[in-house]
Amino acid sequence: DIQMTQSPSTLSASVGDRVTITCRASQSILSWLAWYQQKPGKAPELLIYKASRLETGVPSRFSGSESGTDFTLTITSLQPDDFATYYCQQYYTPPYTFGQGTKLEIK
Amino acid sequence: QVQLMQPGPEVRKPGASVKVTCKASGYTFTVYYIHWVRQAPGQGLEWMGWISPNSGGTNYAQQFQGRVSMTSDTSSTTASMELSSLRSDDTAVYYCARGRWAYVGYYFDSWGQGTPVTVSS
Repeated sequence: DIQMTQSPSTLSASVGDRVTITCRASQSILSWLAWYQQKPGKAPELLIYKASRLETGVPSRFSGSESGTDFTLTITSLQPDDFATYYCQQYYTPPYTFGQGTKLEIK
Repeated sequence: QVQLMQPGPEVRKPGASVKVTCKASGYTFTVYYIHWVRQAPGQGLEWMGWISPNSGGTNYAQQFQGRVSMTSDTSSTTASMELSSLRSDDTAVYYCARGRWAYVGYYFDSWGQGTPVTVSS
């Protein structure tokens, strides 16, 4: 199985900050990576697919990038609604695996 | 709009089975695979498998093979996931999700609200 490792596990930031979350795949997954946001008690929501493509309706302050097996989710100008847990997911090959999550907290 | 509706909480004893349903609306049910993903308390997301509502074909993650069964009913646009021989570590929220095909695999563009399943004696 492909292992997805996210860092950091927890991130403290303030409204207006720019933050970066990293996800590393244990082998090449090309660009077949998605990012999700999950709020407490709610289902995950799709933010980005194919490493950098923004899902319809997602604010443009969210962006994704890749470099080899390293993937990055960047949120510019954090808004109060952005404080949540973020997960990456590879869909290069089943079983589809997720990172362990990054909790974005208010500083 | 796309909606996946799941039932409320379930409680089962160890060794029992649970069946969770997922009622789809707002799109053509047979076009998209339905996936099941679970999340143990305070933990991350774990993919369980998928079903093709069109063909009834399935693909289960290895750790669930032999214990899980996914079915679908096109007349009611409902997918179901049954997990048997329940253990305490099966306690989790079970989500259905619509899979969007992306040439090699699936990511998930719509999710049900989740069904908490508690396994306790």
